[in-house]
Amino acid sequence: AQSVSQHNHHVILSEAASLELGCNYSYGGTVNLFWYVQYPGQHLQLLLKYFSGDPLVKGIKGFEAEFIKSKFSFNLRKPSVQWSDTAEYFCAVMRNSGNTPLVFGKGTRLSVIA
Amino acid sequence: DVKVTQSSRYLVKRTGEKVFLECVQDMDHENMFWYRQDPGLGLRLIYFSYDVKMKEKGDIPEGYSVSREKKERFSLILESASTNQTSMYLCASSLRSIRRGLAGAEQFFGPGTRLTVL
Repeated sequence: AQSVSQHNHHVILSEAASLELGCNYSYGGTVNLFWYVQYPGQHLQLLLKYFSGDPLVKGIKGFEAEFIKSKFSFNLRKPSVQWSDTAEYFCAVMRNSGNTPLVFGKGTRLSVIA
Repeated sequence: DVKVTQSSRYLVKRTGEKVFLECVQDMDHENMFWYRQDPGLGLRLIYFSYDVKMKEKGDIPEGYSVSREKKERFSLILESASTNQTSMYLCASSLRSIRRGLAGAEQFFGPGTRLTVL
């Protein structure tokens, strides 16, 4: 069965620190990859997605992610976090065939302190 | 702009009650999904639907059923609520793959319903 692993349950960073959140998936075929964010009290929203082409994708709010096929990874990065980035981040994978649902990781809670 | 709405933000029910959670999307999406979100467990898929009157079980369908009578509406039903169904329930929708072509199938989420079963 397809699975998605997010390595960190809770990450605490100071403002201006760099961020990298890990995501690995187990499916061997062609995939679509997503990072979603959930700010406190708000609904899930898309940060960025990869479906083909340049493996380095840029999303909203200065986030980017790199798809490394050989490592089955899609890590999320931001060079300098802000207090407003405090949220929960979810990696998700979908097989690029038909109407298969997204499979989500368990999420990483990011706390940014001043 | 896609909008997915859920009938209630907060709901409190008693054990054994029948519970209906409603979800409506206004973007003519074929696919609709129900997830539950629990701390440390992420989002787990309960049921999904590719079209009217169609449904597929997700990873944790036990204790739940669904109804899709109209394209824009997808209902989650707890036949007899239990305390272990206390959770945040999220609805999502997306385009059918043949309509989205090569583009990735982004799912759009509703605000969630926080259900407490006493």
